Amino acid sequence: DSGVTQTPKHLITATGQRVTLRCSPRSGDLSVYWYQQSLDQGLQFLIQYYNGEERAKGNILERFSAQQFPDLHSELNLSSLELGDSALYFCASSTSPGGTNTGELFFGEGSRLTVL
Amino acid sequence: AQTVTQSQPEMSVQEAETVTLSCTYDTSESDYYLFWYKQPPSRQMILVIRQEAYKQQNATENRFSVNFQKAAKSFSLKISDSQLGDAAMYFCAYRSAGISGAGSYQLTFGKGTKLSVIP
Repeated sequence: DSGVTQTPKHLITATGQRVTLRCSPRSGDLSVYWYQQSLDQGLQFLIQYYNGEERAKGNILERFSAQQFPDLHSELNLSSLELGDSALYFCASSTSPGGTNTGELFFGEGSRLTVL
Repeated sequence: AQTVTQSQPEMSVQEAETVTLSCTYDTSESDYYLFWYKQPPSRQMILVIRQEAYKQQNATENRFSVNFQKAAKSFSLKISDSQLGDAAMYFCAYRSAGISGAGSYQLTFGKGTKLSVIP
């Protein structure tokens, strides 16, 4: 158990809809990362937050947004969903912006999104 | 931008045998971290082993070891005495160690190698 909690584990929705994925980082971790894992694109970095502020942005679509709350949990909002958004969405956390001294990120179990 | 390449989409190994998974990366940085993550069917991303680029000694964790060739930008994973529980997707990942602006700390992953273990 990594200590990172993601909900829901599975989500099925229709095209055009909006969903919210939630992540609770490990206790004490200030930094949260969101990744998308699809069959054809592998693991793609979406966005990073550190202590409530956006720190880095990757290949995140404009239809997607995220935020980190004062209690450090984070939410990833996906709107106007398309079939191609079906993927596994991972949240990872670390203590400092750059991770622990060992550079490691701790991953949750992921949220499986299916868009029909 | 850094890139990570895993040239073996699939590999198989006989139980109790040794297998090596390949990974190459491209970077202009001198200090960085390299990782191997394992993703079993449960889909959890599990850290297998890490290597700091400034350390010349290859990292070892029980049956897992790496061959880190900094000049060649190569980072292979060797699994000795393979077990059925080693069957999984294995991802090589790169992370910058220095502060060079926004986006310095995310992991860049390879496409993965699917390892099957034959009983």
